[in-house]
Amino acid sequence: GAGVSQTPSNKVTEKGKYVELRCDPISGHTALYWYRQSLGQGPEFLIYFQGTGAADDSGLPNDRFFAVRPEGSVSTLKIQRTERGDSAVYLCASSFGPSEFPYNEQFFGPGTRLTVL
Amino acid sequence: KQEVTQIPAALSVPEGENLVLNCSFTDSAIYNLQWFRQDPGKGLTSLLLIQSSQREQTSGRLNASLDKSSGRSTLYIAASQPGDSATYLCAVLFNDYKLSFGAGTTVTVRA
Repeated sequence: GAGVSQTPSNKVTEKGKYVELRCDPISGHTALYWYRQSLGQGPEFLIYFQGTGAADDSGLPNDRFFAVRPEGSVSTLKIQRTERGDSAVYLCASSFGPSEFPYNEQFFGPGTRLTVL
Repeated sequence: KQEVTQIPAALSVPEGENLVLNCSFTDSAIYNLQWFRQDPGKGLTSLLLIQSSQREQTSGRLNASLDKSSGRSTLYIAASQPGDSATYLCAVLFNDYKLSFGAGTTVTVRA
């Protein structure tokens, strides 16, 4: 079946602009995750959704970052007033929920490369 | 703080040599450990997942071991090929949803 998809694959924007990054999880996966990967580093956790609600958003760096998952499937990561330091690859992953085995293997999408000029 | 470390940061070997990649983590209470491959400009491809109750997993030329008591995992790639050139990331699930990643080991296999 189809894997996790992310759009756009690349996004170039100017400092101060607003951007939205989209993630389509694997069908049937109730858990969804966003990670951010800076150059030369491993991905860092941003936020975790179980169903429609954000179960843990402790990794969001500040209040310019927000994510939604209104119907428990597609998720959008929103970044307001972008800064050059936001430039990174934003990765989305999905998995089965904690009540479903094997729930804890996360499957990753190809990522969105965000460049803020 | 729960941390994951991968050493070395980069590795270059001639084709045919076996690869040994190391991962260490600070907390032995883990749910699982995953090894990923990442090609330049691409996303993550899962290679192997070892559950907390397991000691190793194998897939083709890949074998990963897990020693929770010492906080270590090792990924072995037998008879390396130029196509194995990539960055390999180790990720640990310390709770039931948040993966913690190492910075990766970039492997170059010389033809």
